[in-house]
Amino acid sequence: EPEVTQTPSHQVTQMGQEVILRCVPISNHLYFYWYRQILGQKVEFLVSFYNNEISEKSEIFDDQFSVERPDGSNFTLKIRSTKLEDSAMYFCASSAEAGGDTQYFGPGTRLTVL
Amino acid sequence: GNSVTQMEGPVTLSEEAFLTINCTYTATGYPSLFWYVQYPGEGLQLLLKATKADDKGSNKGFEATYRKETTSFHLEKGSVQVSDSAVYFCALSDLLRNYQLIWGAGTKLIIKP
Repeated sequence: EPEVTQTPSHQVTQMGQEVILRCVPISNHLYFYWYRQILGQKVEFLVSFYNNEISEKSEIFDDQFSVERPDGSNFTLKIRSTKLEDSAMYFCASSAEAGGDTQYFGPGTRLTVL
Repeated sequence: GNSVTQMEGPVTLSEEAFLTINCTYTATGYPSLFWYVQYPGEGLQLLLKATKADDKGSNKGFEATYRKETTSFHLEKGSVQVSDSAVYFCALSDLLRNYQLIWGAGTKLIIKP
């Protein structure tokens, strides 16, 4: 069964450093998402991406964040200058269609900012 | 704005007990509703979904019915197993924000043998 994959599973970085989280969505999916879950808190939407453009972003997704689909398979989330409060589990998801279609999630990347 | 409220956990049950995890929502229009499950150390897996009022989603013995009149989507299972121990998340797709998922806080379920 096709699945979303994410690398790395755990990333430790120093405050102020740049990190890139990588995702490989399901191959025939067209819509891509990033969510995050700070320990003990709700899952929060960060950004959605379609047709090589951001289609929606939350207040969390400020200028420190960017997303990219550099080739036909990868979907990346970059945090330019990490802060302590960026420590969280980051989930990538993809769906075949919009309109409330099921989003399939990867296993997540745990980001720890020291 | 749209929101999802879930019953707080942890919920602790004995094996073969009946399970209900309550979920209510506030939304504009008729969003799709989802239950996701997160097993220890794993990611978010879709458990079931419903896309319109009175739809019943079901999977692995779990069921939830989309109740528009009570704005609810409660998760039920007739006889739980130890392997059902996990965190369960209720979510809706936000029609006004490109169908991003709005999540409940999650309910941790512990099943004792």
